[in-house]
Amino acid sequence: EVQLVESGGGLIQPGGSLRLSCAASGFTVSNSYMSWVRQAPGKGLEGVSFISRGGDTSYADSVRGRFTISRDNSKNTLYLQMNSLRVDDTALYFCARESHQIGWNWGQGTLVTVSS
Amino acid sequence: DIQMTQSPSSLSASVGDRVTITCRASQDISDHLAWFQQKAGKAPKSLIYAASSLQGGVPSKFSGSGSGTEFTLTISSLQPDDSATYYCQHYATSPRTFGQGTKVEIK
Repeated sequence: EVQLVESGGGLIQPGGSLRLSCAASGFTVSNSYMSWVRQAPGKGLEGVSFISRGGDTSYADSVRGRFTISRDNSKNTLYLQMNSLRVDDTALYFCARESHQIGWNWGQGTLVTVSS
Repeated sequence: DIQMTQSPSSLSASVGDRVTITCRASQDISDHLAWFQQKAGKAPKSLIYAASSLQGGVPSKFSGSGSGTEFTLTISSLQPDDSATYYCQHYATSPRTFGQGTKVEIK
């Protein structure tokens, strides 16, 4: 069974850093297309970052230069390093696996609150 | 970046009604489109991928169609449990982008 479990969220002051983790089971992260998606309170879904099977990465304009997506193949885990956090980064962050052949899987999300 | 435009932004329909939501891409995305259902405070649930393929475990009352720039999600017989917000997302290129969502309510 495919499972994605996010962790690492919390309350952080503006300018601070957090690292989100997404532990995967039932499939191999390094052989998958993976994304981080966020949802600010009362807003829609926003794609934050993406990593391809080959390791190519992309970022939303709003986070480029501040966030870094990575993966640890030995731990089968996806990460999102978030630096220089701003109040408008406050959101529920989800990780997702996407497959044109078998569909999508989502984690339950981890809440990041940026506030002084 | 490819822009995704959903319509309507909200709708209200009766139990048993057939409901259709439209998603338009700002450029050709072939069939690289997914549809998700999201209830308040919950993770999105995948319904459709590759524009028309039903995610495993999703009832067949949900269906998707389209290619290129025009796509639709249809709920054949609306039930109270279908009250949610529905999003389309393209995955043809990076960055992946979502439509703004369609809130479906039951009359």
